[in-house]
Amino acid sequence: AQSVSQHNHHVILSEAASLELGCNYSYGGTVNLFWYVQYPGQHLQLLLKYFSGDPLVKGIKGFEAEFIKSKFSFNLRKPSVQWSDTAEYFCAVIFLEYGNKLVFGAGTILRVKS
Amino acid sequence: KAGVTQTPRYLIKTRGQQVTLSCSPISGHRSVSWYQQTPGQGLQFLFEYFSETQRNKGNFPGRFSGRQFSNSRSEMNVSTLELGDSALYLCASSSGDTVSEAFFGQGTRLTVV
Repeated sequence: AQSVSQHNHHVILSEAASLELGCNYSYGGTVNLFWYVQYPGQHLQLLLKYFSGDPLVKGIKGFEAEFIKSKFSFNLRKPSVQWSDTAEYFCAVIFLEYGNKLVFGAGTILRVKS
Repeated sequence: KAGVTQTPRYLIKTRGQQVTLSCSPISGHRSVSWYQQTPGQGLQFLFEYFSETQRNKGNFPGRFSGRQFSNSRSEMNVSTLELGDSALYLCASSSGDTVSEAFFGQGTRLTVV
C-alpha cells in the first residue's frame, strides 16, 4: 500500500534556527510530491511541489525541498525560521499509478519561539 | 480568482441522520476530491470526481457517497451518521491533469452527537 511517513510529529525551534522536516514515501514508481502548510485556523495551502526536472524545488516564504529518488525522500528545508512559520506541515504524494489522489503524511507541528 | 468554497462551515448532527456537504471548485477546474481530517487518522482520501464521474475512491464504507454536477460543483453525502464520522471534511479542486496541484477549501466541520 502507498504510504507517506513524516519523521517528527512535533518540532520546537527558536527564531533564526534552520529547519529540516523529513518525508519518505513507500513506493518506487512515478510520483508527484507536495508540501502543504496549515496555519492555525486556516486552510491547507501549497508550499511547494515537484513534478519532474530539477530535484531541488523552491516554494513560497523561503522554503525549499529536495527530491532524492534513491531514498524515496522529499525533505523540506528553510535556512532561518520565523515566528510566523508556526504551523502544521504536511508532506503529500500522488502515486501516479493509482490515480489523482493525495496520500498525506501524519503532519509535523512546528512551533517557533520568538 | 475565487478559491474553493465549502458550505456549510459547521454542522452538528445526531447519530443516524444523514448530511450533505457542498463544494464549489475554482472556476475552470474539473476535478474535485474529498478528504477527511481527524486527529487520529490524519488526512484520508475519500473520493475524486472528474467531469461528473467518480474517478477514484478511497477505503471508506458505502455510507459515504458523492456526486459532481455539470458545473463541476460537488456534493458529498454521509448517511446513517456515526460518532466516528465527526471530522473536518476538506474539498480539493484541481484541473485533474497528471501534473496539477490541488487547492483546498476551508472545510466543513461535522460534529455527530
